[in-house]
Amino acid sequence: DSGVTQTPKHLITATGQRVTLRCSPRSGDLSVYWYQQSLDQGLQFLIQYYNGEERAKGNILERFSAQQFPDLHSELNLSSLELGDSALYFCASSPRAGPTEAFFGQGTRLTVV
Amino acid sequence: ELKVEQNPLFLSMQEGKNYTIYCNYSTTSDRLYWYRQDPGKSLESLFVLLSNGAVKQEGRLMASLDTKARLSTLHITAAVHDLSATYFCAVGDSNYQLIWGAGTKLIIKP
Repeated sequence: DSGVTQTPKHLITATGQRVTLRCSPRSGDLSVYWYQQSLDQGLQFLIQYYNGEERAKGNILERFSAQQFPDLHSELNLSSLELGDSALYFCASSPRAGPTEAFFGQGTRLTVV
Repeated sequence: ELKVEQNPLFLSMQEGKNYTIYCNYSTTSDRLYWYRQDPGKSLESLFVLLSNGAVKQEGRLMASLDTKARLSTLHITAAVHDLSATYFCAVGDSNYQLIWGAGTKLIIKP
């Protein structure tokens, strides 16, 4: 157990809908990263927050947004969902802004139908 | 811009054999990480390599880093089926980000 908690584990929703994925980092970690992994694909970095502020942005679509709250948990919002958004979404956390060893949650499997 | 290349991307091997996965990167870095991912599961940190010449070993896996050659290797000794997984390397860049390789899918046959 990495200490990073993601909810929900599975999510099935229809095209055009909006969902929110939640991540609680390890105790003491200030950085949260979001990644997308499509079937049999590598990791696509989406966005990083550090201590409540956006730290870095990767290949995140405009339909997606994220935030980190004062208690350091983070949410990834996905809107106007398309079939191609079906993927595993991982959250990872680390103590510092980076680069450093990151600890991954179990992921949320999103299926858009 | 830092680029990370792993090879091979797919490796099928017999139990008991030795093999090496390579992770090359394009610009200077002294931070390299190896992760393991089982199908549909999370990523597990295997090794953290923070200096030139660093070598870490855990069971049948050994990782090393040559910052001058910009190369890390993950060596598997006497492979067993339980080591079947996808292995990723990630390199720290000058913008304080982790840049990921595409992953090496390893299948070990009995």
